[in-house]
Amino acid sequence: KAGVTQTPRYLIKTRGQQVTLSCSPISGHRSVSWYQQTPGQGLQFLFEYFSETQRNKGNFPGRFSGRQFSNSRSEMNVSTLELGDSALYLCASSLGEGAKNIQYFGAGTRLSVL
Amino acid sequence: KQEVTQIPAALSVPEGENLVLNCSFTDSAIYNLQWFRQDPGKGLTSLLLIQSSQREQTSGRLNASLDKSSGRSTLYIAASQPGDSATYLCAVVNSNYQLIWGAGTKLIIKP
Repeated sequence: KAGVTQTPRYLIKTRGQQVTLSCSPISGHRSVSWYQQTPGQGLQFLFEYFSETQRNKGNFPGRFSGRQFSNSRSEMNVSTLELGDSALYLCASSLGEGAKNIQYFGAGTRLSVL
Repeated sequence: KQEVTQIPAALSVPEGENLVLNCSFTDSAIYNLQWFRQDPGKGLTSLLLIQSSQREQTSGRLNASLDKSSGRSTLYIAASQPGDSATYLCAVVNSNYQLIWGAGTKLIIKP
């Protein structure tokens, strides 16, 4: 069974641009959660989608948004990029709703904002 | 506000030793507690999940305990191997069903 796939693996953007990250969950998983990891703040929860609906949201500004498609694939969008958005973005999938269950993580997308 | 602390931040031990990693949290109202390992370039791997009503979970050479009343969890690794070298992260699910993460313990097992 294929694992969680995140694309692209690496991205370089400049301030003010926007970016879209993609996550394909394990087949059959309906929940996708997104996390940001930085050296200063560590891992932080962004949001969770379950059956195409946002079920939970962390404390991030509205520039961070996401969506989930009917095949459970999810995208995360960051608009008006800031230097502080440079981070490793991880997505995780699970059978049931997010953090209540074991989550399986992708390798992440490393975003650098110049 | 839930906070999760992991001590020590780094640990280096010889191969074959048994070791304990510590995790503490400030709010005992948790749904579950989870331990992960993170290897460079490979994302996170779930190791153990302890429900709030449980006291411990075991998987192979790993044993995790949970004491909600004192806000503590330990991850015990028996007979450590070089392949156990990684960063170990502890996280709790808070009352909003969000994972709150510790900063991790970087473990190095010396051959």
